[in-house]
Amino acid sequence: KQEVTQIPAALSVPEGENLVLNCSFTDSAIYNLQWFRQDPGKGLTSLLLIQSSQREQTSGRLNASLDKSSGRSTLYIAASQPGDSATYLCAVIDNNAGNMLTFGGGTRLMVKP
Amino acid sequence: NAGVTQTPKFRVLKTGQSMTLLCAQDMNHEYMYWYRQDPGMGLRLIHYSVGEGTTAKGEVPDGYNVSRLKKQNFLLGLESAAPSQTSVYFCASSYSPPLDYEQYFGPGTRLTVT
Repeated sequence: KQEVTQIPAALSVPEGENLVLNCSFTDSAIYNLQWFRQDPGKGLTSLLLIQSSQREQTSGRLNASLDKSSGRSTLYIAASQPGDSATYLCAVIDNNAGNMLTFGGGTRLMVKP
Repeated sequence: NAGVTQTPKFRVLKTGQSMTLLCAQDMNHEYMYWYRQDPGMGLRLIHYSVGEGTTAKGEVPDGYNVSRLKKQNFLLGLESAAPSQTSVYFCASSYSPPLDYEQYFGPGTRLTVT
C-alpha cells in the first residue's frame, strides 16, 4: 500500500527566506504527484501537478521537482511571504490505486514578518 | 465559475440521525470524489464517481452511501450517523482521465456527531 510522508510536520521561517518542503512515497510506480495548499478551515487549492514523465513544474515563486526512482518530491518556495503561511500537502496517484489520491500528512508553514 | 461548492458548511448530528451532503461542480468534470479529513489520518477517499450514474468505493466507504444522478452533483449520505464520522468532508472533481488532470476541491463540510 502506498504511503506518503512529509517532513517536517511544521516549519517556521522569517519572511524572505527560500525554503524546501519534502515529500516521500513508498511505491515509485506513480502516475502523477500533486501539491496542494490548505488554509485553516478552508479547502485545498491545487498548486502544481507533476506527471510521472516530468521532473519539475514551476508556477511563480513555486518550483516542484519529482524523482520517481528515489520516491521523492520537493516543493521549493522562493522569497517566502507571510501570505504563504498555510499547510502544504502532497498527494500521489499510483498504478495500483486507480483514481485514488494518497495524501501525506502535510507540512504546516508559518512565515513570520 | 463557482468551481466546486458544498452544502452545508457545518452540521451537528445526534448519533443515529441521517443526513445528505451535497457537492456541485460547474466545470463539466467527469470524475467526482468524496474525502474525509481527520487529525493524524490525513485525507482519505470515501467514494468516487467516474461519470453520471456510476459510483465506486474508496478507502473508507463503510457507513456512507453516494449517488450521482446528475453529472454536476455528487451526494454523500449518512444513514445512521456515528461519532466516528465526526470529520471534515471534502468533495473534489477532475476532468477525465484523472491521471492527467488536477483535482479541484470544495471548501468542506464540518460535521460533528454527538
